[in-house]
Amino acid sequence: AQSVAQPEDQVNVAEGNPLTVKCTYSVSGNPYLFWYVQYPNRGLQFLLKYITGDNLVKGSYGFEAEFNKSQTSFHLKKPSALVSDSALYFCAVRDGPTGAGSYQLTFGKGTKLSVIP
Amino acid sequence: DGGITQSPKYLFRKEGQNVTLSCEQNLNHDAMYWYRQDPGQGLRLIYYSQIVNDFQKGDIAEGYSVSREKKESFPLTVTSAQKNPTAFYLCASSYLAGVSNEQYFGPGTRLTVT
Repeated sequence: AQSVAQPEDQVNVAEGNPLTVKCTYSVSGNPYLFWYVQYPNRGLQFLLKYITGDNLVKGSYGFEAEFNKSQTSFHLKKPSALVSDSALYFCAVRDGPTGAGSYQLTFGKGTKLSVIP
Repeated sequence: DGGITQSPKYLFRKEGQNVTLSCEQNLNHDAMYWYRQDPGQGLRLIYYSQIVNDFQKGDIAEGYSVSREKKESFPLTVTSAQKNPTAFYLCASSYLAGVSNEQYFGPGTRLTVT
């Protein structure tokens, strides 16, 4: 079965510092990986995805993520955090066509990012 | 939140009553989804539909029902059989299920049952 883990419930970072939100996954084949952001009482907004190709994926609002197959990780990064980046971040995974898992999207439990002014 | 609307934003019901949550999309997406979000538990899939007049159960379908009579609409009914219905409900859509397309989410409906 496919699964995703976000090992940190909360990440605190000072404004202007680099930020990292961690995500690890498990699938039977090649993964499709996604990051979403959620602001309070709102729906999720898509940030970026990895399907194939370059391991470094660039997305919206200056975010990027690095796919590491050997470590089964897909950490979200940003070089310089803004106070407005404070939100709940979700990693999600789907097993690709070579795998035996579900085509459903499986979400992590979320990581709350707080950027301190 | 793209072209997906959910109504109402807040909904209050008494225990024992069925309630229907609306989800409409104008993105011409084939697939639609319903998720439930509880604090600290992430999103859990309730039902999804890849095509009109067809839908499949997700991980937590018990106590819920759906219909997909039109491509644009995917209403969710929370029945009295659902033991813990109070939650934040999110509807999403994508071009096709089973491929690499990302899902687009509506703004959500917060249901409170007392």
